[in-house]
Amino acid sequence: SYVLTQPPSVSVAPGQTARITCGGNNIGIKTVHWYQQKPGQAPVLVVYDDSDRPSGIPERFSGSNSGNTATLTISRVEAGDEADYYCQVWDSSSDHQVFGGGTKLTVL
Amino acid sequence: QVTLRESGPAQVKPTQTLTLTCTFSGFSLNTIGMCVSWIRQPPGKALEWLARIDWDDDKYYTTSLKTRLTISKDTSKNQVVLTMTNMDPVDTATYYCARIHSNRYYFDYWGQGTLVTVSS
Repeated sequence: SYVLTQPPSVSVAPGQTARITCGGNNIGIKTVHWYQQKPGQAPVLVVYDDSDRPSGIPERFSGSNSGNTATLTISRVEAGDEADYYCQVWDSSSDHQVFGGGTKLTVL
Repeated sequence: QVTLRESGPAQVKPTQTLTLTCTFSGFSLNTIGMCVSWIRQPPGKALEWLARIDWDDDKYYTTSLKTRLTISKDTSKNQVVLTMTNMDPVDTATYYCARIHSNRYYFDYWGQGTLVTVSS
């Protein structure tokens, strides 16, 4: 089955840029989606189809995907961005949805 | 406005069968392309996709739990039901249902989740 690998944690100071990676075999040919989950809440879609944002998601959230790594970039990080972030793809070979292990973003 | 809400027992005993219901509004599972999935999250751990049911009644299950899971829908009630047999303490988790489109493959709306504890 397809495996997505994320760093367990990323730390960044307010106002700086956070980059959260999602590694997978040739992930660049798949479309990647990203979710933000704050404690005690359900996940929220923040980026879909590699780099598109749902309505209501700030432009500070962006995504890219190439080769074996997809990246969620959060510019001008705010305290309210502190959360767990998950990447997700559809594995066409099994018709399964696959999530990464999640990354905890800490705002210093 | 799209909403989903999970319901079911907060606690089950080991070996029992869990039945969870997802009641949704704002869309129909009669609409081509509409699907609903179940996803779970053990305390402090990552999200795990469990199952999906499509508008045409196609069903998909995660390989590791395929023998224990059954997903079904009642379009007249706007509900999707997940059953999981032979529950074990490791199945303790928050269970979410979420909407997904068959040709987009991302979860755009989620329920608030329901915590199920497996304990004797």
